[in-house]
Amino acid sequence: SYDLTQPLSVSVALGQTANLTCGGNNIGIKKVHWYQQKPGQAPVVVIYRDTNRPSGIPERFSGSTSGNTATLTISRTQAGDEADYYCHVWDNSAVFGGGTKLTVL
Amino acid sequence: QVHLVESGGGVVQTGRSLRLSCAASGFAFTGYAMHWVRQAPGKGLEWVAVISYDGGNKYYADSVKGRFTISRDNSKNTVYLQMNSLRPGDTAVYYCARDVILTGYFEYWGQGTLVTVSS
Repeated sequence: SYDLTQPLSVSVALGQTANLTCGGNNIGIKKVHWYQQKPGQAPVVVIYRDTNRPSGIPERFSGSTSGNTATLTISRTQAGDEADYYCHVWDNSAVFGGGTKLTVL
Repeated sequence: QVHLVESGGGVVQTGRSLRLSCAASGFAFTGYAMHWVRQAPGKGLEWVAVISYDGGNKYYADSVKGRFTISRDNSKNTVYLQMNSLRPGDTAVYYCARDVILTGYFEYWGQGTLVTVSS
């Protein structure tokens, strides 16, 4: 089965840039999607197909992939960006990473 | 405005059955695939099943194959998840989600319904 590896937690200072990684074998050839989930809420897609941002998602959110790593970058982080973030790809089935808890200090 | 509302969750004993529903509104339901995704308490997301726009194609996670059945009624704009032979490991919040294709991304999510399987 295909595995996606995300760090359990990432901390970033308010206003700085957060880079959340998602590791997988040759993930660069797959389409990677990213979801934000705040406590008690359903997930929301913030990046789809590697680099696309849905309407309503701030330009501060961007995605990239290369080789075995996909990255969600959040620029000028705000307190409201604190959440769990999950990456997602399709292999033989939908696969999620274990999620990263982003803390804004 | 896309709206997905799950219902049917509750507490059930091991080995029993439960049927979840997801009522859709605000979009052309017959044009979209629909998924179920679950999240155990304090854990990450796990995909469960998907059904194509016309119900002709269905796929399942290995963990539920043979026990769960996804279906849809396009006349009622509703997708269902029939869950049989439930296990404590099936305890989770179950979300339905919309997708453009069978293997795309989860564009919109419902608020979820909690299923608790007691032993």
